[in-house]
Amino acid sequence: AQSVTQLDSQVPVFEEAPVELRCNYSSSVSVYLFWYVQYPNQGLQLLLKYLSGSTLVKGINGFEAEFNKSQTSFHLRKPSVHISDTAEYFCAAAGGTSYGKLTFGQGTILTVHP
Amino acid sequence: GAGVSQSPSNKVTEKGKDVELRCDPISGHTALYWYRQSLGQGLEFLIYFQGNSAPDKSGLPSDRFSAERTGGSVSTLTIQRTQQEDSAVYLCASSLDPGAGTEAFFGQGTRLTVV
Repeated sequence: AQSVTQLDSQVPVFEEAPVELRCNYSSSVSVYLFWYVQYPNQGLQLLLKYLSGSTLVKGINGFEAEFNKSQTSFHLRKPSVHISDTAEYFCAAAGGTSYGKLTFGQGTILTVHP
Repeated sequence: GAGVSQSPSNKVTEKGKDVELRCDPISGHTALYWYRQSLGQGLEFLIYFQGNSAPDKSGLPSDRFSAERTGGSVSTLTIQRTQQEDSAVYLCASSLDPGAGTEAFFGQGTRLTVV
């Protein structure tokens, strides 16, 4: 069985500062990895995904993530955040016996302060 | 509409009553998922439908929970004899081809409150 761990439940940051949201997964087989964002009172929206190939993945809104197989990590980064990036971010993995079953981390609440 | 549609958006029910939550996936999507989102619990997988295969029910928390998907499209999640701990946001998602890595598209959710 696979699991996803988001190491920080809350990350406060000032506007225009860089941010990294950490995600580690555990799986004995290859996985697909995803980052979703949930704005207040809204559904989840895909930010980016890693399937294979280049380990650096670029997504929407200036976010990017790097797949690191040796460290089983898929950390999300943005070089300069905006107030509008305040939201909850979820890392998810799919793979193993069922590529359909998405396993989510506990979520990281990013709060951007002016 | 082009997205995943869930109804109702909010549901308040009395403890012990049965509730039905509906999900209309994106047309043509073969995979459909139900998740539950509670404060401090993250996103909990409930059930997964893929085409005509038997659903993966491994996440259903008790036999009070059941789900069906009719005609490979609309899905209904039923909770019998609701309990206060069932209060949560129930999210539905659909995907075109998860085996190929296509992402899941989520609905806005149904907020269930059991009083």
